[in-house]
Amino acid sequence: DTAVSQTPKYLVTQMGNDKSIKCEQNLGHDTMYWYKQDSKKFLKIMFSYNNKELIINETVPNRFSPKSPDKAHLNLHINSLELGDSAVYFCASSQETGALGELFFGEGSRLTVL
Amino acid sequence: KQEVTQIPAALSVPEGENLVLNCSFTDSAIYNLQWFRQDPGKGLTSLLLIQSSQREQTSGRLNASLDKSSGRSTLYIAASQPGDSATYLCAGDQTGANNLFFGTGTRLTVIP
Repeated sequence: DTAVSQTPKYLVTQMGNDKSIKCEQNLGHDTMYWYKQDSKKFLKIMFSYNNKELIINETVPNRFSPKSPDKAHLNLHINSLELGDSAVYFCASSQETGALGELFFGEGSRLTVL
Repeated sequence: KQEVTQIPAALSVPEGENLVLNCSFTDSAIYNLQWFRQDPGKGLTSLLLIQSSQREQTSGRLNASLDKSSGRSTLYIAASQPGDSATYLCAGDQTGANNLFFGTGTRLTVIP
């Protein structure tokens, strides 16, 4: 049983397209996150949701819109994709907000924009 | 703005050696700290979590410590094995900040 699962694992698309990445956790956690890992392997938070409510929204273009239909799911929709959006996107979850509890990560979704 | 540096950026050791990875925060007001392992093409696996009231955690051959006065953490790996080869990342949060600040990572290679 995968604790945090993301789909798709790989996504190759053209500039200007709209795409979504889905994330689900079966750990019963209250908080879910989206992180972006760039080509230099640096990880930076994008969004954090606690019980379906947005609690962190870092400086991310508004082309990125997270959606949390329930506390077990946090999807990431990206409009008008740009070359610079190419990265690996990681979903994560924790029982508490921040690092009061351990963070559990999905395996990542590698997005390539051509 | 919190910045996290990990030294060295890359490390190669022969199997069996003990080694230390270092992590430092520009703002020493760290509340909780986690060490993660990332294998190529994979997500991050949590190794150790040092919570706010703790200074050290141990799991098997791994020991992590946190010096809050200096904002530095070390991860000690005893008797290294080829299976330990991976990138190791440290991450910390600060009081009132619902965010983990990640280090740049140390890529470890253990040579059989």
